[in-house]
Amino acid sequence: SQTIHQWPATLVQPVGSPLSLECTVEGTSNPNLYWYRQAAGRGLQLLFYSVGIGQISSEVPQNLSASRPQDRQFILSSKKLLLSDSGFYLCARSRDMGGEQYFGPGTRLTVT
Amino acid sequence: DQQVKQNSPSLSVQEGRISILNCDYTNSMFDYFLWYKKYPAEGPTFLISISSIKDKNEDGRFTVFLNKSAKHLSLHIVPSQPGDSAVYFCAARPVDSNYQLIWGAGTKLIIKP
Repeated sequence: SQTIHQWPATLVQPVGSPLSLECTVEGTSNPNLYWYRQAAGRGLQLLFYSVGIGQISSEVPQNLSASRPQDRQFILSSKKLLLSDSGFYLCARSRDMGGEQYFGPGTRLTVT
Repeated sequence: DQQVKQNSPSLSVQEGRISILNCDYTNSMFDYFLWYKKYPAEGPTFLISISSIKDKNEDGRFTVFLNKSAKHLSLHIVPSQPGDSAVYFCAARPVDSNYQLIWGAGTKLIIKP
């Protein structure tokens, strides 16, 4: 079966601190990977997507960055967190671009 | 400008009755529509989808209807069960994009016993 792992599940970080969220995928090779953020009461905002190792596309200019060092690993980072970075961060995969996307359990980030 | 709109933030339905969740879109250039269900503190799970060349797709208790002339999408759940209580998102895929899904803001469905 295909599984998406995300950690940590919850995180509380002070403003100005760095961030690293990790997503790993099992049971599939060369998946398309996505990072989304859901702010309170809002829909899903696509942040980054990747079609392969080292290939990252950014949807929203911000102080976040993403990397894909391995085929099944997708990392979301920030050098200095802002209060507005608080939200629920979701990693997703799809077999092909634009098809059904399958989500990991998410990380709840609170920036204080 | 929201291209995919779910105008009802919440909906309350009696157990056993039909739940109807609505979604409107403003862009005619979507070719695929999806519904997702989300429990608190979990990622969304895919429920059902429909291609723009169809007007209905059914999977068990879930049926999605597409009215292209009205640019309207609806999800019917019948009969509604307590485990259906969740937030439901509709999403649409633009024809000219091979990666992007445009998401609605979600509707919280509450099934009353």
